Amino acid sequence: GAGVSQSPSNKVTEKGKDVELRCDPISGHTALYWYRQSLGQGLEFLIYFQGNSAPDKSGLPSDRFSAERTGGSVSTLTIQRTQQEDSAVYLCASSSKTGSRETQYFGPGTRLLVL
Amino acid sequence: RKEVEQDPGPFNVPEGATVAFNCTYSNSASQSFFWYRQDCRKEPKLLMSVYSSGNEDGRFTAQLNRASQYISLLIRDSKLSDSATYLCVVRIIDSGAGSYQLTFGKGTKLSVIP
Repeated sequence: GAGVSQSPSNKVTEKGKDVELRCDPISGHTALYWYRQSLGQGLEFLIYFQGNSAPDKSGLPSDRFSAERTGGSVSTLTIQRTQQEDSAVYLCASSSKTGSRETQYFGPGTRLLVL
Repeated sequence: RKEVEQDPGPFNVPEGATVAFNCTYSNSASQSFFWYRQDCRKEPKLLMSVYSSGNEDGRFTAQLNRASQYISLLIRDSKLSDSATYLCVVRIIDSGAGSYQLTFGKGTKLSVIP
């Protein structure tokens, strides 16, 4: 079956512009995560959606970042007024359950470059 | 102190060698532990979960020491295809606060040399 897909695969934008990044999780997966990975750095947790529960937004770095998940499936991460330090690979992952047995499947990521 | 710490490496080992990575975590409330593998410019992929009793998957063995708060990964009979960055991952679940995030280490780079 299809894995996690993300679009666009690459995005170049100018400082101050807004960008939207999309994630299509694996069908039936109730949990969805957004991370970002800067060059040479580890993954930084951004936000987590689980079913109809309130999302865990504790990782969002500023109020310029927001995410939504419509219909419990597709998710969009929006970055407003982008800054150069927002340049990173944004990774989405989905899983069918949480806990010690959870397996997260990652999408290929969106490489964002803010000029 | 970083929540999850790993030696960044690189570890350069010959084919067939045994190599071990350690990872330490700072939060004693950590509940779940994983090793992920990430190839260059690719997304992370789950290698194995780490269970309290230790677990093995082929050439890979994972161990958890809760008292000392560290996790290890042992790779036996290294293959060229094992060359990658290995990420140590820890989860703390606080269902009351609605927090389920995973914390990733920065990874240990392994290069297996012919």
